Amino acid sequence: KQEVTQIPAALSVPEGENLVLNCSFTDSAIYNLQWFRQDPGKGLTSLLLIQSSQREQTSGRLNASLDKSSGRSTLYIAASQPGDSATYLCAPLYTSGTYKYIFGTGTRLKVLA
Amino acid sequence: SAVISQKPSRDICQRGTSLTIQCQVDSQVTMMFWYRQQPGQSLTLIATANQGSEATYESGFVIDKFPISRPNLTFSTLTVSNMSPEDSSIYLCSANRGSHEKLFFGSGTQLSVL
Repeated sequence: KQEVTQIPAALSVPEGENLVLNCSFTDSAIYNLQWFRQDPGKGLTSLLLIQSSQREQTSGRLNASLDKSSGRSTLYIAASQPGDSATYLCAPLYTSGTYKYIFGTGTRLKVLA
Repeated sequence: SAVISQKPSRDICQRGTSLTIQCQVDSQVTMMFWYRQQPGQSLTLIATANQGSEATYESGFVIDKFPISRPNLTFSTLTVSNMSPEDSSIYLCSANRGSHEKLFFGSGTQLSVL
């Protein structure tokens, strides 16, 4: 069974800290991996998409890495801000059988001013 | 990116009834998926909606309870049948234009079953 776990489950930090969010997935047969942000009571926004052939992807203060062979992805948030407070979800695109995105357990982030 | 319109945005239903959720994309997409998100939890995949053929269901979800249609490349429906309070959740439609593309979401349907 394909499972995606995120650590930590919750994180509360003062503004300005650099953060590391971890995503582990079973079954390395993935095509790509996405990181999403979900604000309370709202939908999901795609932050970064890393193809299986890539090692890193960057967008502004966000950097995501992917190690397919070890089943890990990491999202780095530099110089965190209160506006970064949200739940962060990773989702690998599995290719064994039908293509499907399986979502991780999520990390709830709170950045304090 | 494309835009997904999902209707209804919320509904309150009686036990034993059925509700059909519609998902309309403003351009053709390759993949469409239906997810459920229970309070305080992550997203659980219900099924992949296949154009012109039966949906592919995940373990724990069956066609009789969650029938799905996808008549073309821009539209899909999910029906929640014979509802019970345990079906109270947010249901989300998502799609992308291909495996190289980002996945995007509709705004969700908040379902409450009394």
